Amino acid sequence: GAVVSQHPSRVICKSGTSVKIECRSLDFQATTMFWYRQFPKQSLMLMATSNEGSKATYEQGVEKDKFLINHASLTLSTLTVTSAHPEDSSFYICSARVGTGVGSNQPQHFGDGTRLSIL
Amino acid sequence: KQEVTQIPAALSVPEGENLVLNCSFTDSAIYNLQWFRQDPGKGLTSLLLIQSSQREQTSGRLNASLDKSSGRSTLYIAASQPGDSATYLCAVCGSNYKLTFGKGTLLTVNP
Repeated sequence: GAVVSQHPSRVICKSGTSVKIECRSLDFQATTMFWYRQFPKQSLMLMATSNEGSKATYEQGVEKDKFLINHASLTLSTLTVTSAHPEDSSFYICSARVGTGVGSNQPQHFGDGTRLSIL
Repeated sequence: KQEVTQIPAALSVPEGENLVLNCSFTDSAIYNLQWFRQDPGKGLTSLLLIQSSQREQTSGRLNASLDKSSGRSTLYIAASQPGDSATYLCAVCGSNYKLTFGKGTLLTVNP
C-alpha cells in the first residue's frame, strides 16, 4: 500500500521549454503533497508544500512563478517548470502524506523522481 | 532552523559486517525521524520511522534508535549484504510537519 507514482521519470529538453511533472497517490488520498529538488551529492531540499484545493506554499528562495504547482484532486499534484533553463536541471521528487488533514506527522511516501536535463 | 548531519558521508565494508550509520539534528522539537534508502537515480524507500516518544524500531536486519534529547539517531545494519549498497538518508519531521533531510551516507558492501 501507499504507492506514489511520478511521471515522467526522465525529461531532456531544450532551454525555454516548460515541463510538467505529475505526482499521483495510487491507493490512498493525500490532502498534502510535497515537491523536493535534489542536486548531485546533496540532500533533498523542500521546494513547496501542495495542499488540495488551495495555493501551494513555497519555501524561501523558490520562485512560485517559475515552479507552478497545481493540486486539483486528492490523488494528483503537478509541478510545471516554466521556461526551463540549464540551471533548473536537477532531480525532482514528490511525496504524498497519507490522510486528509493539513497538519499531520503521518509518514510521507515518495515517488521515484524525475531527472530533468535542460540543454 | 533545523539542521541534519549524517556521519560518515561514505562507508565501505566487507560483506557480513555489522555497521552503524549516524544522524544528528539540532532542534529536538520533532514529531518523528525516518530512515530512507535511495538507490542511484531513484526515489526514496522508507526503512524505519521512529516517533518522538519511541527509542527504537526494528525491521529485519535493521535497527534504528532515537535519543531526542541529545539530537541523535543511529541506524544499525546487521550482517550486511551487497544488496544493502545504497545511500541512506535520515530525515526529521519538525514542528512545522515538514521533513528536513541529511546529505546521506553512501554505503558500499563488498562481496
